[in-house]
Amino acid sequence: GQQVQQSPASLVLQEGENAELQCNFSSTATRLQWFYQHPGGRLVSLFYNPSGTKHTGRLTSTTVTNERRSSLHISSSQTTDSGTYFCAIDLQGTGSKLSFGKGAKLTVSP
Amino acid sequence: EAGVTQSPRYAVLQEGQAVSFWCDPISGHDTLYWYQQPRDQGPQLLVYFRDEAVIDNSQLPSDRFSAVRPKGTNSTLKIQSAKQGDTATYLCASSRQGAKGNTLYFGEGSRLIVV
Repeated sequence: GQQVQQSPASLVLQEGENAELQCNFSSTATRLQWFYQHPGGRLVSLFYNPSGTKHTGRLTSTTVTNERRSSLHISSSQTTDSGTYFCAIDLQGTGSKLSFGKGAKLTVSP
Repeated sequence: EAGVTQSPRYAVLQEGQAVSFWCDPISGHDTLYWYQQPRDQGPQLLVYFRDEAVIDNSQLPSDRFSAVRPKGTNSTLKIQSAKQGDTATYLCASSRQGAKGNTLYFGEGSRLIVV
């Protein structure tokens, strides 16, 4: 079965609104990471966040490992935030074998 | 620092044809990964190398897919006798073992359409 489940699958916002993306996973040994994929383009690592809360700019990631969930919060969204957000877990605990969710497609309108 | 470079960016094949994708990782990165990303799906690991050695190729369809990294730097992923189900973007990524979180750096991908 799917080891990483993301919700919602898609989200449409007006610029300035906040977004909350959820990730649920099947393993407690996760080394969870969040990635962003430009429309039709490159995947970029946003956070390595195995537990706790991390911030960068307008992005906040919170992982609660024993509840097998993580969230990505985007505050004051901008049109440039549009794209697909993936969470991924490390299946082997080595940092090398990542299992990705299906992604959450975010569209921010001006 | 140059990023991960992939070529070609696009390929369109008839079923049964072959194609090779090439990847140049970030200099100094010992680990190289090939992922397959079908449309509207997350990436799925096909194979990864540490230096020139294959560490895990359990998800690589071995009858038609092959991957090499002979000098522990560049890598080639080859698909022989392509099928329509191979239509996807093929992503290469690299990382440096021991780096915090083992951050993966991805290339822009090679988009394959098999008709």
